[in-house]
Amino acid sequence: DAGVIQSPRHEVTEMGQEVTLRCKPISGHNSLFWYRQTMMRGLELLIYFNNNVPIDDSGMPEDRFSAKMPNASFSTLKIQPSEPRDSAVYFCASSRTEVTGELFFGEGSRLTVL
Amino acid sequence: AQSVTQLGSHVSVSEGALVLLRCNYSSSVPPYLFWYVQYPNQGLQLLLKYTSAATLVKGINGFEAEFKKSETSFHLTKPSAHMSDAAEYFCAVSDVGYSTLTFGKGTMLLVSP
Repeated sequence: DAGVIQSPRHEVTEMGQEVTLRCKPISGHNSLFWYRQTMMRGLELLIYFNNNVPIDDSGMPEDRFSAKMPNASFSTLKIQPSEPRDSAVYFCASSRTEVTGELFFGEGSRLTVL
Repeated sequence: AQSVTQLGSHVSVSEGALVLLRCNYSSSVPPYLFWYVQYPNQGLQLLLKYTSAATLVKGINGFEAEFKKSETSFHLTKPSAHMSDAAEYFCAVSDVGYSTLTFGKGTMLLVSP
């Protein structure tokens, strides 16, 4: 079975531009997570969806960040406008809700904002 | 809020030596605990998990961890390190019944020949 698929793997953009990161979770998984990884702050949970509904978005840094999950097989994380401090690796992970903590991670999207 | 503390951002061992990576959790009730591994330029993958069954948990690649309530610890060990074990290791915690994980800062394991 295919794992969690993220795109793009690498994105370099200029400050002020819109960035959209995409994620396809594992089929049959009903929970989806967006994490951000930086050297300074480690792994931070940005938002958590269950059955396509956002459950906890308390980790979303500010209004510039938004996430959607229009169906069970697709999610996006959008940053508009982007800033240099948004540079990080963004991971999408999915799991079956009834299996606590067993997250399957994608390979990440490395974002660089100049 | 739940949290975990990983002691040491880097641990260096020789090939064949014991690996010990430390993790302490803060919780008034025993949570679920996990170890994940991240190889360079990859996502995290689950090594093992503790969910209130046996206190000694065995995972993949010869790793194991022991839950010690009295010490609020969940240290990761492997009797003999291999070069392929070089990676970053993350301890994580989850409240019972909740799906979200809180990760520690990570410990980079360096293995020398």
